[in-house]
Amino acid sequence: DGGITQSPKYLFRKEGQNVTLSCEQNLNHDAMYWYRQDPGQGLRLIYYSQIVNDFQKGDIAEGYSVSREKKESFPLTVTSAQKNPTAFYLCAGGGLQGFNQPQHFGDGTRLSIL
Amino acid sequence: GENVEQHPSTLSVQEGDSAVIKCTYSDSASNYFPWYKQELGKRPQLIIDIRSNVGEKKDQRIAVTLNKTAKHFSLHITETQPEDSAVYFCAASPYSSASKIIFGSGTRLSIRP
Repeated sequence: DGGITQSPKYLFRKEGQNVTLSCEQNLNHDAMYWYRQDPGQGLRLIYYSQIVNDFQKGDIAEGYSVSREKKESFPLTVTSAQKNPTAFYLCAGGGLQGFNQPQHFGDGTRLSIL
Repeated sequence: GENVEQHPSTLSVQEGDSAVIKCTYSDSASNYFPWYKQELGKRPQLIIDIRSNVGEKKDQRIAVTLNKTAKHFSLHITETQPEDSAVYFCAASPYSSASKIIFGSGTRLSIRP
């Protein structure tokens, strides 16, 4: 089995705490993406990376951080600066630097505040 | 900036009838248009995509049409079945940043038995 693997499936954050969401892929995708989805809403881009050691901010990057030290991994940290983190977080991977390629999604992580 | 508008936000059709979802995009140079289906609590899954050098594409009961002049594209589902009930998202890849995909706001499709 393979594809885009996100963990954990559910995550709870205490106030003032940073939490990290994992995203791993074995599809050799160059590009990887993080989206946030609020209930009944669409997908908003948080960060994306086209190549190892490089990433760009999306539309709602404030309060989040990422790293891309390995091609296979693109973890997302939700920092204490993100005051409303409760949402469904989706990681996706794309083809050759993502240009005009479909994105394939993981199963998501649901983050809630304790 | 780039924008994708999707209509309607909700759609209810009788089982066996057709469903049509429409999207418009703002970047006239966009050249890739995927459609995703998301069932409740699950990940979005690619169901069909079209590139700007093609006007129409079909895959069994699903078809997508693209009108570059009008900057709109549509998803057509024929002979709808209960398992077609889901949220559908259109998307467009803007020329200015072809590694990104801009998503529409989604259409919740319900199939009435």
